[in-house]
Amino acid sequence: AQSVTQPDIHITVSEGASLELRCNYSYGATPYLFWYVQSPGQGLQLLLKYFSGDTLVQGIKGFEAEFKRSQSSFNLRKPSVHWSDAAEYFCAGYFNDYKLSFGAGTTVTVRA
Amino acid sequence: GAVVSQHPSWVICKSGTSVKIECRSLDFQATTMFWYRQFPKQSLMLMATSNEGSKATYEQGVEKDKFLINHASLTLSTLTVTSAHPEDSSFYICSARGFSGGNNEQFFGPGTRLTVL
Repeated sequence: AQSVTQPDIHITVSEGASLELRCNYSYGATPYLFWYVQSPGQGLQLLLKYFSGDTLVQGIKGFEAEFKRSQSSFNLRKPSVHWSDAAEYFCAGYFNDYKLSFGAGTTVTVRA
Repeated sequence: GAVVSQHPSWVICKSGTSVKIECRSLDFQATTMFWYRQFPKQSLMLMATSNEGSKATYEQGVEKDKFLINHASLTLSTLTVTSAHPEDSSFYICSARGFSGGNNEQFFGPGTRLTVL
């Protein structure tokens, strides 16, 4: 079955340190992949997306993600986190029915 | 990017009453709208998909008679929670998708917090 998995439920990172959030997918072909961020009590904001082409995708707020077909992964990275990056992050994908399938989410806590 | 609004942003109602939540695409035509439900500390669960002018398609386990969805125009969809009960309390998020140059991106509303007393 098609699915998106985020292995890490919660990550704590120091301000200024690098951040990497993992996302894996299960699908026979290449899905459309997305990363969203959600602040408490808010809707979702799109950080970046991958449809095809260059496997390193640049997004907003200094985030980037790399699509790796061999690992069925689409990990999100940021070189230096800011306190404002504390939020919930969701990886999602379109498979063959064009309905977004979300991972369980990763909560990012930023410590001073 | 495209903007999707929801109204109200929060609502408190008594058990047994009905609540309507509106979702509007402000600057594009949404051929498809989606309604999600999110419990605290959890991911988004798709409730239903609606195409303009058609009946909504509900996900398995979602009661279509309880969660009425109307997508009467290309810019407006409504979710009505009928005879609401405390277990219906949740964060409801809508999303809209239009086709522009092959872009399949969905745009999300800010969500509506429903509390049923």
